Order: sequence, then structure tokens, then C-alpha cells
Amino acid sequence: GNSVTQMEGPVTLSEEAFLTINCTYTATGYPSLFWYVQYPGEGLQLLLKATKADDKGSNKGFEATYRKETTSFHLEKGSVQVSDSAVYFCALSGDDGLTFGKGTHLIIQP
Amino acid sequence: GAGVSQSPSNKVTEKGKDVELRCDPISGHTALYWYRQSLGQGLEFLIYFQGNSAPDKSGLPSDRFSAERTGGSVSTLTIQRTQQEDSAVYLCASSLALGWTGELFFGEGSRLTVL
Repeated sequence: GNSVTQMEGPVTLSEEAFLTINCTYTATGYPSLFWYVQYPGEGLQLLLKATKADDKGSNKGFEATYRKETTSFHLEKGSVQVSDSAVYFCALSGDDGLTFGKGTHLIIQP
Repeated sequence: GAGVSQSPSNKVTEKGKDVELRCDPISGHTALYWYRQSLGQGLEFLIYFQGNSAPDKSGLPSDRFSAERTGGSVSTLTIQRTQQEDSAVYLCASSLALGWTGELFFGEGSRLTVL
């Protein structure tokens, strides 16, 4: 079956640091890949997505590239801000919805 | 409504009581999903509906859990004889259709605490 593995946190960085959150997946077929974000006290919301190999999703300065050869979809941002503090979930699409990773808690310190 | 609405937002109950959690999806979304979010466990898939039908109930943690959807809209997740391990945030999401590769829209969740 489908599965998603992502680095578990918490990940603590200083403001303006470079961010990478690793995500790898196992899936049959050719799923779409997603990053969702959950800010404190809020529901999950889509951050970015990629629907086929080599696609790059981007939003709010975050980027992730769909790498079929390494079955990865790592999330990156060049300069994080305190407001990026949240829980980030990697996910892939399947016939019955999305399969999520366990989430990575990101803490950005001023 | 504009988004996915869940109620109650918080529920505290005693062990052994039954609880009902409600989800009102975005109008026109035919697919509806329930997830459970527990500390350290990430997002656990429970069940999905395409219209009023839930073809696969194997994700429900035990036979104390049931879900239904009526009129292709509102869904109710029922937990009978609650146990402390049922304490979690229960999230509902909807999408235009099953297998849709676009976005799932999530509600803010129902936080259940079983004493």
C-alpha cells in the first residue's frame, strides 16, 4: 500500500535559516504529491503540490520537486520566518484520498 | 458555507459514553473524508464517502466507530462506549470528487477528550 515517511521534529531553526524537510514515499502508480501546513490553532491547508515527475510546486517561498527516481518530495525554503512555525505534512494521492506522513513540527526562533 | 464546518469544536466526555461528531462539507463536494490526528501519530485515515456510500470501512479503529452520510452532504462520525485512547482531534475534509488530484479542504477539527 501507499506510505509516506517524513522527518519527525521538532525542527528548530533561527529566522532566515535555510529549511529542508525530507519526505519520501512508496506508492503504486503515479500519485500526486502534496505538502499541507497546519498553523497553530488552525486547520490543515494546502501549501503546494506537484502532479507528475519533475514538476516543482511552489508557494509562499516554499518549493518541492517531485523526484520519481528517488521517490522523494523534499520541502525547501531559502529563508524562514517566525510566521512559518507550524506542522508540515507530506502526502500523496490514492484511490481513497490522501495518505499523510506523521508531520514535522517546525519552530522558528527570532 | 464557505468552508468545511465541524462540530463540536471541543468535546469532553466520560469513558463509556457515546459521542457524535458532525461534518458539513463544502457545497458540491461529493467526496468526504474522516481522519484522526493524535499526538505523535500524525494523520490516521478513518473512512471516506463518495456520495452517501462508504465502500471501505477497514480504516475505522474498532467496531465502536461508525460513520454515515446523508443527502450527499452532512456526515456524522459516531463513537460508542468511548475509551481514553479515543482522545484525539477528528478532522473532516471534502473534495470535488474521489480520486481528485487537487486539494482536500479540511475543517478545523473536533477535539475529543475522554476522561
